[in-house]
Amino acid sequence: DAGITQSPRHKVTETGTPVTLRCHQTENHRYMYWYRQDPGHGLRLIHYSYGVKDTDKGEVSDGYSVSRSKTEDFLLTLESATSSQTSVYFCAIKAASYNEQFFGPGTRLTVL
Amino acid sequence: KNEVEQSPQNLTAQEGEFITINCSYSVGISALHWLQQHPGGGIVSLFMLSSGKKKHGRLIATINIQEKHSSLHITASHPRDSAVYICAVEDIGKDDKIIFGKGTRLHILP
Repeated sequence: DAGITQSPRHKVTETGTPVTLRCHQTENHRYMYWYRQDPGHGLRLIHYSYGVKDTDKGEVSDGYSVSRSKTEDFLLTLESATSSQTSVYFCAIKAASYNEQFFGPGTRLTVL
Repeated sequence: KNEVEQSPQNLTAQEGEFITINCSYSVGISALHWLQQHPGGGIVSLFMLSSGKKKHGRLIATINIQEKHSSLHITASHPRDSAVYICAVEDIGKDDKIIFGKGTRLHILP
């Protein structure tokens, strides 16, 4: 599993509240990604990071921000959650030596 | 039009049948990935291909770069193969960003 954990695994929150999801890795990989997965869509990239304090937007970045102050942690923040952000969120790392992505277990977020 | 198209979207088969899942893409790629997602579960990488064919146990993945097409085959299918299979490509024109297909839901009946 490439040592990837996500927290929390499940969260229910109300519209307008801030939410932060954490992705933690133990193997010092440079690239980290946040995706969302929704019925009828493939996984869609929200933001990614290519190093500490180096981040960039993906295709569905509106309403989300990220931070990476340490190699091992990549945080995804919903500043003011909306019902359209109800989804399953996956973190992934890219192992440069294999050029493969390894996924965390996912976080199921429900915004009421 | 989606840049990565998978077919079929859903597939139900009997245990023991030979399974084929197809993936077509419209962009130039540096690599193609096949992933597996069990119900309620995480996502596991099965294969990464840039040419030819790879085999792992009962799973075989092939890619034809000229035709922009890949197939995932499962021989002697088993109910534990029931999962969603996802094709994803690294878009060479977008710094290898990954584009995912919507997945093929496979159900193997005992």
